[in-house]
Amino acid sequence: NAGVTQTPKFQVLKTGQSMTLQCAQDMNHEYMSWYRQDPGMGLRLIHYSVGAGITDQGEVPNGYNVSRSTTEDFPLRLLSAAPSQTSVYFCASSTQGAAFYEQYFGPGTRLTVT
Amino acid sequence: AQSVAQPEDQVNVAEGNPLTVKCTYSVSGNPYLFWYVQYPNRGLQFLLKYITGDNLVKGSYGFEAEFNKSQTSFHLKKPSALVSDSALYFCAVRDMGGGSYIPTFGRGTSLIVHP
Repeated sequence: NAGVTQTPKFQVLKTGQSMTLQCAQDMNHEYMSWYRQDPGMGLRLIHYSVGAGITDQGEVPNGYNVSRSTTEDFPLRLLSAAPSQTSVYFCASSTQGAAFYEQYFGPGTRLTVT
Repeated sequence: AQSVAQPEDQVNVAEGNPLTVKCTYSVSGNPYLFWYVQYPNRGLQFLLKYITGDNLVKGSYGFEAEFNKSQTSFHLKKPSALVSDSALYFCAVRDMGGGSYIPTFGRGTSLIVHP
């Protein structure tokens, strides 16, 4: 049981480039989320999904796209990277069962946009 | 709408002393409350949660938190701090009356335990 995995761990992009941050979980969780963590800002929700085929925007969705074709995977796409997207990105998953929305986090992806 | 505030950016405590990390929340219905810990260069780890029932919740690593509905608070406590408790702590709330699927996190409090 690997939990929540994220790839890559580190990434450097140039302004205007696109890329996909991968997230996968093997716990059969319905809910998955993407957060960004910036100093002094805490965790801010980018996008989330309550099940395969269902996604919605969080607090800071601009410049990011998501899709959820399977229960296991929830990739985050940066369409045209900007320096303001330099951050640490965390994926999380949770279930609406007995765990009552306790979230499991991946190890994070540190992204730098130059 | 749901929101949570952690009024202290940093808490300093000596090893062996009790520690408190503060959290207040705002919801329209009943809250689900969570504490998470983040060690350097790691993802967040779940510590404890309040759903219903006893106002004093016990969690991992000897931490506990007290739910106070009248003060809308959920402070994290530990009777005797360890240097290894030094980390970033996040409070989170989910509003059961607001229909939100995902909790909102506070900005985090850096706990520094001095030897």
